Amino acid sequence: GAGVSQSPSNKVTEKGKDVELRCDPISGHTALYWYRQSLGQGLEFLIYFQGNSAPDKSGLPSDRFSAERTGGSVSTLTIQRTQQEDSAVYLCASSPRGMSQPQHFGDGTRLSIL
Amino acid sequence: AQKITQTQPGMFVQEKEAVTLDCTYDTSDQSYGLFWYKQPSSGEMIFLIYQGSYDEQNATEGRYSLNFQKARKSANLVISASQLGDSAMYFCAMREEQDTGRRALTFGSGTRLQVQP
Repeated sequence: GAGVSQSPSNKVTEKGKDVELRCDPISGHTALYWYRQSLGQGLEFLIYFQGNSAPDKSGLPSDRFSAERTGGSVSTLTIQRTQQEDSAVYLCASSPRGMSQPQHFGDGTRLSIL
Repeated sequence: AQKITQTQPGMFVQEKEAVTLDCTYDTSDQSYGLFWYKQPSSGEMIFLIYQGSYDEQNATEGRYSLNFQKARKSANLVISASQLGDSAMYFCAMREEQDTGRRALTFGSGTRLQVQP
């Protein structure tokens, strides 16, 4: 079946512009996560959605970052007034409910801020 | 203190040999899960293997096995019969039960494995 789909795969934008990154999770997966991976680094948690519960935003680095998930499916991560330090690969993952369930990742969006 | 520590930034192994990638973790939770992911140069994150804290047997998935030593808080990944396609970054990650509102994974910094012919 289809995996986690992210778009765009690459995004280059000027400092100060707003960007929107999209994630389409695996059908039936109730949990959705956003992570950020800087060059050569591990993954940094950003935000988590589970069903209709309030999202866990504890990983968002600043108030310029926000995310929403519409209809329990597609999610959009928005970065306002981008800065050069926002340059990274943004990865989305989804999973079924359950402690032992692995997260399935999309191919990511590579964001470059000029 | 870091929750997940991978002390080997890079490893080399000869094709067809076995290799162990180290991972230690820090948690006060009794219930937690440990995961290993592979990230090839193409960038996708591929799930390899899972070990639950209450699992009495070490997890195995094909050529991958997890050497779980709970008292030492280590969860090393063993890859048997290495193949050239195993060359990639490998990440150890943990999910803790105490994070009741959050099921996100905490990742280590990764180990870059290079398999040599």
